[in-house]
Amino acid sequence: KNQVEQSPQSLIILEGKNCTLQCNYTVSPFSNLRWYKQDTGRGPVSLTIMTFSENTKSNGRYTATLDADTKQSSLHITASQLSDSASYICVVSSPEGGYNKLIFGAGTRLAVHP
Amino acid sequence: IAGITQAPTSQILAAGRRMTLRCTQDMRHNAMYWYRQDLGLGLRLIHYSNTAGTTGKGEVPDGYSVSRANTDDFPLTLASAVPSQTSVYFCASSETGGYAYNEQFFGPGTRLTVL
Repeated sequence: KNQVEQSPQSLIILEGKNCTLQCNYTVSPFSNLRWYKQDTGRGPVSLTIMTFSENTKSNGRYTATLDADTKQSSLHITASQLSDSASYICVVSSPEGGYNKLIFGAGTRLAVHP
Repeated sequence: IAGITQAPTSQILAAGRRMTLRCTQDMRHNAMYWYRQDLGLGLRLIHYSNTAGTTGKGEVPDGYSVSRANTDDFPLTLASAVPSQTSVYFCASSETGGYAYNEQFFGPGTRLTVL
């Protein structure tokens, strides 16, 4: 069964600190892996998209890594800010039956405290 | 540029009632999607449309219907709402559908409560 599992479920860090969020997936066939940021009460917003051949991709203070062999990804946030408080969702894309199916993880809820 | 708008923002609905959630995008994207997000679960695809005039079933289509009369609008209808349809509903769009490597842009969501 195609699944995307994220850890930790929730995380509290102090402003200025770094953190790393984890994503493990069992999805086949694999098309790409995406990280989304979802602020409370808002829709998800894309941070990064990586294909099978990409090991790392950065977007400002966000750096995503992908190990397609072990089917693991991580999202590293550097020098956290209060505005980083949100849910971070790992999404794996898989071609299926006429559309590009997205399998969503349940997300990691990050709280950045002053 | 508004991107994707959804209406209503929230709604409380009696079980058995009919409800249509509206979604409009101004990006001229070909593909549109409806998802539901439930606590502790990832978003799940209800229905999708790769282009105007076509629709397809996603992971959890039962109890929902959609139509795509034009490029911009993609309404989701609950013919007879049940409490298990209480959820937050997100509409999304992408430049193309199918197997394309395309970013999906999400609307702000509609919070629906069925009593």
